Amino acid sequence: EVQLVESGGGLVKPGGSLRLSCAASGFTFSSYSMNWVRQAPGKGLEWVSSISSSSSYIYYADSVKGRFTISRDNAKNSLYLQMNSLRAEDTAVYYCARPHNSGYDFFDYWGQGTLVTVSS
Amino acid sequence: EIVLTQSPGTLSLSPGERATLSCRASQSVSSSYLAWYQQKPGQAPRLLIYGASSRATGIPDRFSGSGSGTDFTLTISRLEPEDFAVYYCQQYGSSPLLTFGGGTKVEIK
Repeated sequence: EVQLVESGGGLVKPGGSLRLSCAASGFTFSSYSMNWVRQAPGKGLEWVSSISSSSSYIYYADSVKGRFTISRDNAKNSLYLQMNSLRAEDTAVYYCARPHNSGYDFFDYWGQGTLVTVSS
Repeated sequence: EIVLTQSPGTLSLSPGERATLSCRASQSVSSSYLAWYQQKPGQAPRLLIYGASSRATGIPDRFSGSGSGTDFTLTISRLEPEDFAVYYCQQYGSSPLLTFGGGTKVEIK
């Protein structure tokens, strides 16, 4: 069974940093690109970042470019999101999401999400 | 960036009724790379439809998708109590830059 479990969320002050993790199991993690998607309270979904299976290709939404860094450790079946210079508008539930095995970037597996709150 | 606009924002219907949800793109979505998701409160999104019209594994056939170019539709033929939720469309034609629509809430009338 495919499982994605996020952790690392919490309350942080504006300008602070946080590192999210996503532990993957039930599939060959090293064969899939992975993504982070976020959802502000009461709002819609926003794609944040993606990383290819071997970390060769990395992409970010303009809203986080230069502040967030995505990475992965295939030996540990883990995905990470380092978030720096956090702003109030980064407050959201952050989901890790796995693309469909067709290779196209729609998501058939999601974690349960981890809440990041940026507030003084 | 392809902007997706979903309408209506809220759809008030009764169980057994037909729901028609719209997703309009600001430019053509290549190869109908359009997906639909269902999200219930406190839960992660659930994939319903991909490729504009292909149902994901385990999705009941009361859910159907159609459309191409800039106009896409999700239809729920007869609403079941568990179908009341928020629905999002997502384009992946301009991958890796992915975008979601703002969502349509289907609520009980």
